[in-house]
Amino acid sequence: AQSVTQLDSQVPVFEEAPVELRCNYSSSVSVYLFWYVQYPNQGLQLLLKYLSGSTLVKGINGFEAEFNKSQTSFHLRKPSVHISDTAEYFCAVSLPEGATNKLIFGTGTLLAVQP
Amino acid sequence: NAGVMQNPRHLVRRRGQEARLRCSPMKGHSHVYWYRQLPEEGLKFMVYLQKENIIDESGMPKERFSAEFPKEGPSILRIQQVVRGDSAAYFCASSLSSKFTEQFFGPGTRLTVL
Repeated sequence: AQSVTQLDSQVPVFEEAPVELRCNYSSSVSVYLFWYVQYPNQGLQLLLKYLSGSTLVKGINGFEAEFNKSQTSFHLRKPSVHISDTAEYFCAVSLPEGATNKLIFGTGTLLAVQP
Repeated sequence: NAGVMQNPRHLVRRRGQEARLRCSPMKGHSHVYWYRQLPEEGLKFMVYLQKENIIDESGMPKERFSAEFPKEGPSILRIQQVVRGDSAAYFCASSLSSKFTEQFFGPGTRLTVL
């Protein structure tokens, strides 16, 4: 079975500082990897995804993530955050093979950007 | 293009009542997923449906929960005889095809059981 671990439940950071949100996964087979953002009282929005190819993936709003197969990680980074980046961030995996594309989520990391 | 629509946005029920949550997928999407987000937890997959068919219900509780996606109309997640532990946010997502494409999420229905 697959699982996703987001060790940091909350990450406080000052505006314009860089940030890294950590994500590790466990799987005996290859997976697709995703980062979603959830603003208060809203649904989830896809930030970026890794399906194959280059291990450095660029997404919306200036975010990027790097897939590291040996460390089974997919950490999310942004070089300079804004107040508007304050939200909950979820890492997720799905299986390339199989009948469904269900997503398996981590428990989320609250990014709190302070002025 | 309207996104994924869910209603109601907030639903309050007393223990033992029934809850019906509706999801209208994006135009042209025939694949629907339901997820549940319990307080302080991530989203957990519940069920995956295509028009008139349940494809994967491995995440659905064995009792009291059911889902449908009729030929016409929205997908419905039904919870019978609700208990306090059912209080959660329920999210619906839709996608264009069965091969991997992006899942687009609705705003969710927040169910509170008194």
